[in-house]
Amino acid sequence: GAGVSQTPSNKVTEKGKYVELRCDPISGHTALYWYRQSLGQGPEFLIYFQGTGAADDSGLPNDRFFAVRPEGSVSTLKIQRTERGDSAVYLCASSSLGAITDTQYFGPGTRLTVL
Amino acid sequence: AQRVTQPEKLLSVFKGAPVELKCNYSYSGSPELFWYVQYSRQRLQLLLRHISRESIKGFTADLNKGETSFHLKKPFAQEEDSAMYYCALKAQGGSEKLVFGKGTKLTVNP
Repeated sequence: GAGVSQTPSNKVTEKGKYVELRCDPISGHTALYWYRQSLGQGPEFLIYFQGTGAADDSGLPNDRFFAVRPEGSVSTLKIQRTERGDSAVYLCASSSLGAITDTQYFGPGTRLTVL
Repeated sequence: AQRVTQPEKLLSVFKGAPVELKCNYSYSGSPELFWYVQYSRQRLQLLLRHISRESIKGFTADLNKGETSFHLKKPFAQEEDSAMYYCALKAQGGSEKLVFGKGTKLTVNP
C-alpha cells in the first residue's frame, strides 16, 4: 500500500515568509509525528498527534511553529516568519498506536530552504 | 533528559569484515531502543528494535542496561549495508516521540 507522503518535496522561501508543509499518513494510522533534520544531525522531534489532538508538542522550538491535524488524518506544519535557521528537512511519520507493532513509518521529507 | 550518542560519524569496513556501530544512551527510566537505517535516496526505515530480539539482514543488537548501550553488529558486512544508521530511544510508558542520535555513515568497501 501507499506509504507516508509529504508535499512539497522541496520548498524555497525568503526570510520572513510563511510556509505550510503537508503530510499524508498511512491510511488508518492513528498517530502522526513531525521531526526536523538539520544537516549532519539526526531527526529531532517536534510534535506528535494521537487522532486530532497534539499528544506531545514539547519539541516545537518556538511559537512560530504550529501544526494541525483537524480530521485525524492529514497534517499541516505551519511556520510563520521563517528564519534562515529553519532550513532543514522536515520529516513526517505515522504509526498505529495500540497495535501489536507501533513502528513509526517515515515519509520522504520536505527540504525547506530559507534564503 | 533523554540522550543518544553515536560516537562514530563515519565507519568504513571491507566486505566480509565484522562491523559494529556503537550507540550509548542516557535515560533514567526504562527505554525502548531502535536502529533506523537510511539507504541512499531512500526514506528512513526501521531496521530493528530491542524488544523484538530478532536479526534483520544479519544485524543484531543487544540492550546492555549496565553499560547503557545498544550496539549494532553484523559478523560479515556486505556492500549493500552501506547507509546511514541512526540509533533512537523511546521512553517506555511515556511520550511516543523518538530521540535520535546523530547517525553513523557506514561504508562497506569491495
